[in-house]
Amino acid sequence: EIVLTQSPATLSSSPGERLTLSCGASQSINNNYLVWYQHRPGLAPRLLIFDGFRRAAGIPDRFSGSGSGTHFTLTITKLEPEDFAVYICQQHAYSPITFGGGTKVE
Amino acid sequence: QVRLQESGPGLVRPSETLSLTCTVSGGPVTNFFWNWIRQPAGKGLEWIGRIFNSGLINYNPSLKNRVTMSVDAANNQISLKMTSLTAADTAVYYCARSQSRFDPWGQGTLVTVSS
Repeated sequence: EIVLTQSPATLSSSPGERLTLSCGASQSINNNYLVWYQHRPGLAPRLLIFDGFRRAAGIPDRFSGSGSGTHFTLTITKLEPEDFAVYICQQHAYSPITFGGGTKVE
Repeated sequence: QVRLQESGPGLVRPSETLSLTCTVSGGPVTNFFWNWIRQPAGKGLEWIGRIFNSGLINYNPSLKNRVTMSVDAANNQISLKMTSLTAADTAVYYCARSQSRFDPWGQGTLVTVSS
C-alpha cells in the first residue's frame, strides 16, 4: 500500500503566519489524486483540497495545494485562529486508500 | 445539507462483534459511495472500506476477513460489522461519503475494546 509521510509532525505557529505542510508518497500519485483535510478536535474532518490543488466548496483562498508525483504541499497564508488544527493528506490513486499521519498546527 | 451521525455500543468485549450504524440526513444513501474510516488514539486514519448501493463493496485487505458493510435504504443508514475484536480495534470510527474525496464526514463514535 502507499505510505504517506507528513512533515513536520507538529508546527508551532502564530496568527498571520504563512505555513507550508508537506506530504510525501512512497510511490508517484497518479492524476494528482491527493486530498487534504482539516481536523479540529471533536469535529468531523473537513475536506479542504482535492486533486492536489482544487479547493473544496466554501474553503477560503488562504488554503492552497500544490505538488505532483511523490511530493505535495498544503500552504496556508495568513493563519487565522480557527486554522489551528490537524491537517491530513490522503491518496486515492491506489487501493487501499491511505492517509498520512497528520501535521498538527498549534 | 447532508449530515452523518455514527452510533454504536461504545464498549465491546474482546472476541465479540462490533456493529455500527451511520445515519444519513439531508440526502439519500442510494447512488453514493459510503466509507468507514477509523483512527486509533495517537495514530493516523485507516480506511476500512466503502459500499455503493449494496452492490459494489471494497474492503481494506488488512481487514477484509473481519468486516461486512451494508446499506439500509429504507432507514437511510449504512452499517458496519467487524468480528473478532481485539484491543487493536479500539478507535474512533467515522463514516464519510464519496468514492475518493470524503465529504462530508460524521463526527465519529469511540469504540473501546476491553473486558
